[in-house]
Amino acid sequence: DAKTTQPNSMESNEEEPVHLPCNHSTISGTDYIHWYRQLPSQGPEYVIHGLTSNVNNRMASLAIAEDRKSSTLILHRATLRDAAVYYCILRDYRNFGNEKLTFGTGTRLTIIP
Amino acid sequence: DVKVTQSSRYLVKRTGEKVFLECVQDMDHENMFWYRQDPGLGLRLIYFSYDVKMKEKGDIPEGYSVSREKKERFSLILESASTNQTSMYLCASKQRPAKDRTYEQYFGPGTRLTVT
Repeated sequence: DAKTTQPNSMESNEEEPVHLPCNHSTISGTDYIHWYRQLPSQGPEYVIHGLTSNVNNRMASLAIAEDRKSSTLILHRATLRDAAVYYCILRDYRNFGNEKLTFGTGTRLTIIP
Repeated sequence: DVKVTQSSRYLVKRTGEKVFLECVQDMDHENMFWYRQDPGLGLRLIYFSYDVKMKEKGDIPEGYSVSREKKERFSLILESASTNQTSMYLCASKQRPAKDRTYEQYFGPGTRLTVT
């Protein structure tokens, strides 16, 4: 699976929107873009995923660039509970026999009250 | 809600001991995974299983073995624990993917293992 690049850390004020960037310049046409997050002392949890179009769910929105070489996870109104490490991961949907998710070191998001 | 449970949150073992880490999921998922997480290294896949009695090595299988006798249970075994196996161990499960579809992985809370 192709590699992703994320900033090591970001800060945001509580109740403001947060935009978490991810670069994936070597993405292939069959790579899904997944986002997971890991709250302190917990296992990672799924946030959202997409292929080409922007996606929304109850947790977040995913904006995917037209050329798919980058994407942005958007938390519309950050709360203290959103403080976590956010991982952007690519997953080739053709490799459904190879289930490995390759987690990088992610972005540590700090929310300032 | 999918639930993945791990037998212990914290475990302390001595060097050379045999260690069993148990993971149970309640959503009838075919695929199960064991990762370890270390500071600065992210999550690394140790082993995964795509069916009962089936297993495949991940990126760092050395020093570990696994067992999947029942669909809901996936065990990680450290045959002879060493201090470099001190880590956070995370179990995950996932529905078997369909063609052109992907599903999310569900993780357990983790077991922090210390080998002294």
